[in-house]
Amino acid sequence: DIQMTQSPSSLSASVGDRVTITCQASQDISNYLNWYQQKPGKAPKLLIYDASNLETGVPSRFSGSGSGTDFTFTISSLQPEDIATYYCQQYDNLPFTFGGGTKVEIK
Amino acid sequence: QVQLQESGPGLVKPSETLSLTCTVSGGSVSSGSYYWSWIRQPPGKGLEWIGYIYYSGSTNYNPSLKSRVTISVDTSKNQFSLKLSSVTAADTAVYYCARDRIAVAAGIDPWGQGTLVTVSS
Repeated sequence: DIQMTQSPSSLSASVGDRVTITCQASQDISNYLNWYQQKPGKAPKLLIYDASNLETGVPSRFSGSGSGTDFTFTISSLQPEDIATYYCQQYDNLPFTFGGGTKVEIK
Repeated sequence: QVQLQESGPGLVKPSETLSLTCTVSGGSVSSGSYYWSWIRQPPGKGLEWIGYIYYSGSTNYNPSLKSRVTISVDTSKNQFSLKLSSVTAADTAVYYCARDRIAVAAGIDPWGQGTLVTVSS
């Protein structure tokens, strides 16, 4: 299985801050990587597909980049409604695997 | 707008079989553009992909669960289902059904609201 390592596991930032989360794959997955947002008590929601493509309707403050083994997810200006846990997911190889998640809180 | 809804028992006894159904509305499980997936999340933990089914009945399962998992589809009812046999406390989780886009713009979306299944005697 491809292991997905996310860091940090949690972070605290102020409203308006730039937030960056990294995801590292245990082998080359090209750009076959998605990012999800999961708010407390809710199902995950797809934000970014193919590493850098914004899902329709998702605010432009969210972005993704990277290819191969190293990926980055960025919130350009953190908003109160962005409080959530964020997961990366690879779909290059079965079984699909997720990172351990990054919990984002407001300072 | 496609919506998915899980249903099934919230409590299952150890060694028994967990059975859940996902009802799809606003779209068709017979669409050739999607896989229909099950994903689970133990309380306070991360996400684990269980497997998916194509409308034709073709399946792929997580090898860690493969010996115990069966996913099936009923196109006449626009539903797909999950069976997990010989459950233990480690199978206690919120179970989500979801739609997985194939190839172009691949991604798992939308998801059902999830249903908590507790394994306990």
